[in-house]
This record gives sequence, C-alpha cells and structure tokens, in this order.
Amino acid sequence: DAKTTQPPSMDCAEGRAANLPCNHSTISGNEYVYWYRQIHSQGPQYIIHGLKNNETNEMASLIITEDRKSSTLILPHATLRDTAVYYCIVRSRGAGNQFYFGTGTSLTVIP
Amino acid sequence: DTAVSQTPKYLVTQMGNDKSIKCEQNLGHDTMYWYKQDSKKFLKIMFSYNNKELIINETVPNRFSPKSPDKAHLNLHINSLELGDSAVYFCASSLGQGAGGELFFGEGSRLTVL
Repeated sequence: DAKTTQPPSMDCAEGRAANLPCNHSTISGNEYVYWYRQIHSQGPQYIIHGLKNNETNEMASLIITEDRKSSTLILPHATLRDTAVYYCIVRSRGAGNQFYFGTGTSLTVIP
Repeated sequence: DTAVSQTPKYLVTQMGNDKSIKCEQNLGHDTMYWYKQDSKKFLKIMFSYNNKELIINETVPNRFSPKSPDKAHLNLHINSLELGDSAVYFCASSLGQGAGGELFFGEGSRLTVL
C-alpha cells in the first residue's frame, strides 16, 4: 500500500519552478523515494529517485529532508507539457517489492 | 521504436466474453508487470513476472490469467468479463526486481465491458 501523502492538486505558472511536496513519515532506512508522472491518457513515466542525498537529472531535482520524512520534487522551469499527475512512491529494493501508486498530485501548469 | 507496446489500445466487448491483451518489451528487461487503472485513476499492480516466473499476484480474481511465453512478452487473458473489469490496463517492465527501480510503461489498453 502507498505510504505517502501528497496534496491532491497544485497550480504553477509556466516558466516558474514547480515544487511538489511529499510526506513519507514512516519511511524505513532501506526505502527509496521514487517519483513518476502520468500525463493524461499515457503510461506513467519515471522521473527520479533517491535514498537520502539530493538528486538531479535532466528532468527534475529531488530534495529529501535530513530525517527523510518528506521530500520535494522540483521542476525548475515548468512548461505546459509538465501538466500531469505526479506520484511519490517509497519502496525498498529487493525481490517482491513492488511500486504502489497513491493518488498523486495533479499539477496544472498555467500559461 | 516503442519500448513497451501493448495491443490492442482499445477493446470494447460484452459481459461474459473472454479477451486478451498482449504486451511486448524490447528493452531486454527480465521483469514485467500488469497494472490496472480504474475510473477513479487509482493505479494498482496486478501481477509481476521475473524471467517468465510469477512473483506477485495481488489478489486478482482467477478470471485473470497472465502468461509469459518468454522474457519479452507478458500477455493478460481475462475470462468471463464483468462490468467492473472496465479500466485501463498498463503493462510495464524493469531490469531486475529491485535494481535501479525504473519502470517503463506501455501506453495502456482501455477495456470497456458493456
């Protein structure tokens, strides 16, 4: 079952940074934080993941608090194509550990 | 080239019928999955296969029978379709069951049961 809490919806102005929060207060030491997004009617798309250090790739940055109980996904310059549902997932590596998607945050980028 | 491809994309059928959805991945992954997304947009895992072996079955009714003829394919057969089976079904794949963690999803197959 999903072990994360995310706001159901957010708006962001085009060109501005979109900061999507996620609470995972019961995260255990061997669980990673993953972010996926689902653009309308498409399959979910992997964005980024991390354990305890901040991570950055060509799509986004992931900031994980020191106590690892929350994290923030940052889209540095949101575009209209970033309008999607964003899912924060905690998962430990290993056989049988699956990705459980919660309800996510519906991000709308406004022109 | 599509990494994870599903067919058909749309399927409309009557209650009680039997139907199949096919999935193929050309990424060389060894683990494949089926997810179901209902009308409320909840995305739930149904099955997970690693090297053609079933490793996860999330209390899915027996009417659903996945079949993996090889590592690159995971098909979903559904018997005696019910109204509640109407959903979008997503196939996904990954390299290993735990390493990396990046799932690649197909575009989905929208099943409508009348």
